[in-house]
Amino acid sequence: DAGITQSPRYKITETGRQVTLMCHQTWSHSYMFWYRQDLGHGLRLIYYSAAADITDKGEVPDGYVVSRSKTENFPLTLESATRSQTSVYFCASSRQGTEEQYFGPGTRLTVT
Amino acid sequence: GDSVTQMEGPVTLSEEAFLTINCTYTATGYPSLFWYVQYPGEGLQLLLKATKADDKGSNKGFEATYRKETTSFHLEKGSVQVSDSAVYFCALRGGTALIFGKGTTLSVSS
Repeated sequence: DAGITQSPRYKITETGRQVTLMCHQTWSHSYMFWYRQDLGHGLRLIYYSAAADITDKGEVPDGYVVSRSKTENFPLTLESATRSQTSVYFCASSRQGTEEQYFGPGTRLTVT
Repeated sequence: GDSVTQMEGPVTLSEEAFLTINCTYTATGYPSLFWYVQYPGEGLQLLLKATKADDKGSNKGFEATYRKETTSFHLEKGSVQVSDSAVYFCALRGGTALIFGKGTTLSVSS
């Protein structure tokens, strides 16, 4: 039972580069979420998806793009990375919007 | 908008000490409340939850009671262990997404 996985676990990229963080879940959960974790801010929601082809913005969506063509995958793309996007990114999923969210192990992204 | 405020850390305790981590919230209506725990190098795990006023969530010796009158959801444990060292997040469900506090780091020494 793989659960929810994220790749890569660590990534270093340069300012201006495009980078995609992957999230995959094996539970067929309807909802998937992307959060970023920064010291002094806790976790903040970037985007979420209620089902395949349905996405919506969270608290801090600027500079990020998401897609969800398949239920199990929810990639997050930084189209032109900036240093302010250096963070730890967590993906989460839940069966329904009102149920428990299960978190992946996180991706630590450094933008130089 | 909805928000969560939790006590600043770090909290440093000796093994078997009593733990309290304060959490208060601001929200319209009566949201579900949660405590998540993050062990070093890992993602967040749900520790406990409460969905209505006066509910008590409990798990692994941790407890928290949903207090509507004080808009609080304080986390307590009677006797902490070294293995409880982690970051603890209080959260509320604002619509579909979770709204988190900034996290409190707990360090327990033997």
